[in-house]
Amino acid sequence: SQTIHQWPATLVQPVGSPLSLECTVEGTSNPNLYWYRQAAGRGLQLLFYSVGIGQISSEVPQNLSASRPQDRQFILSSKKLLLSDSGFYLCAWTWDRLHYTFGSGTRLTVV
Amino acid sequence: QQPVQSPQAVILREGEDAVINCSSSKALYSVHWYRQKHGEAPIFLMILLKGGEQKGHDKISASFNEKKQQSSLYLTASQLSYSGTYFCGTEKDGSQGNLIFGKGTKLSVKP
Repeated sequence: SQTIHQWPATLVQPVGSPLSLECTVEGTSNPNLYWYRQAAGRGLQLLFYSVGIGQISSEVPQNLSASRPQDRQFILSSKKLLLSDSGFYLCAWTWDRLHYTFGSGTRLTVV
Repeated sequence: QQPVQSPQAVILREGEDAVINCSSSKALYSVHWYRQKHGEAPIFLMILLKGGEQKGHDKISASFNEKKQQSSLYLTASQLSYSGTYFCGTEKDGSQGNLIFGKGTKLSVKP
């Protein structure tokens, strides 16, 4: 069966520090991968999605970047965090664009 | 591009019905409905595809009006477990799979 792993679960980082969040999917190949952010009052905001290794599409210009170094690995990064980067980050995957499965999320607080 | 959901919030008594609406300004390929409990990952409820039929899931059903680019989620005889935030996600016709969510509708079911 397919599973999605996302870590860490919670993170507190100072302003200006770097960020790396990792997401991996098991039990499937060539999935579409997604990073969403959830901030108060903003719903689920799509940040990046990838349809294959090295293929990244950005939906919202911001202080973040994403990479897909391996087929089932998706990384969200920042060189210098801002206060506005705080939120609940969710990774998701799909292989058929019909059913999207979300990871358990990372609660990021920038202080 | 973000779909618009209404209402933003609704409070029900157990056993009452509710309708949540989702509309888009773009021609849609699909509409997805998810429910999220506080602090948890969103859970898939159903998907409606262009040209497809109305879907049902126990006492939760949904419709998709392609011409109006609108979808509605119907919750019948609500249960306490229905409480949470409901999100509709939409994919534009011709997209590669970037699922964009609305801001959500917070549903509270009281005993």
